[in-house]
Amino acid sequence: QKEVEQDPGPLSVPEGAIVSLNCTYSNSAFQYFMWYRQYSRKGPELLMYTYSSGNKEDGRFTAQVDKSSKYISLFIRDSQPSDSATYLCAINTGGFKTIFGAGTRLFVKA
Amino acid sequence: DAGVIQSPRHEVTEMGQEVTLRCKPISGHDYLFWYRQTMMRGLELLIYFNNNVPIDDSGMPEDRFSAKMPNASFSTLKIQPSEPRDSAVYFCASSKELGTSGSNEQFFGPGTRLTVL
Repeated sequence: QKEVEQDPGPLSVPEGAIVSLNCTYSNSAFQYFMWYRQYSRKGPELLMYTYSSGNKEDGRFTAQVDKSSKYISLFIRDSQPSDSATYLCAINTGGFKTIFGAGTRLFVKA
Repeated sequence: DAGVIQSPRHEVTEMGQEVTLRCKPISGHDYLFWYRQTMMRGLELLIYFNNNVPIDDSGMPEDRFSAKMPNASFSTLKIQPSEPRDSAVYFCASSKELGTSGSNEQFFGPGTRLTVL
């Protein structure tokens, strides 16, 4: 079993839709939960991070962690064509060795 | 700052040839990472350095791969001999020690797209 599981998609939605992206993980020691966004032909960039359980909101983006279920989510409200990218969940125990999910390709159609 | 710089951006080589990928981390960052990204396996950590010292190389696939960091502003990833299955995008990333707080954000370079024929 992989330490982080993420559906690669692709996920295609119309502009304005609410997008839900998810990952599951297996190691309960993980404490930091991150979402990276990767545009085509570019390197990943940190979008949001959450420590332990709970929600974190930043504009149209909300990151959610449920440690009891080992489940993390990223919600995008009012999705825009500029949100089209690959979204990678990433987790670590607080150190520098970060494990990335496979990434979900998102397409937002105008 | 210019961000993490990688060269070359694209490399096409033939099986059996030596390939050297280069990375310049962000100034002041004391961690450097090498990743490989493929459709099948996603983003995999190959090796990372702290203050120029290799800390964890357990992700290096086999002896054909080697990485060095001779100083704080330069690192190389070498593949010798290269094989078609090495074809992937190789990313370098750097990070700064943040103590006990923060996510230890990694800043990625643009990647080197390697094709081994």
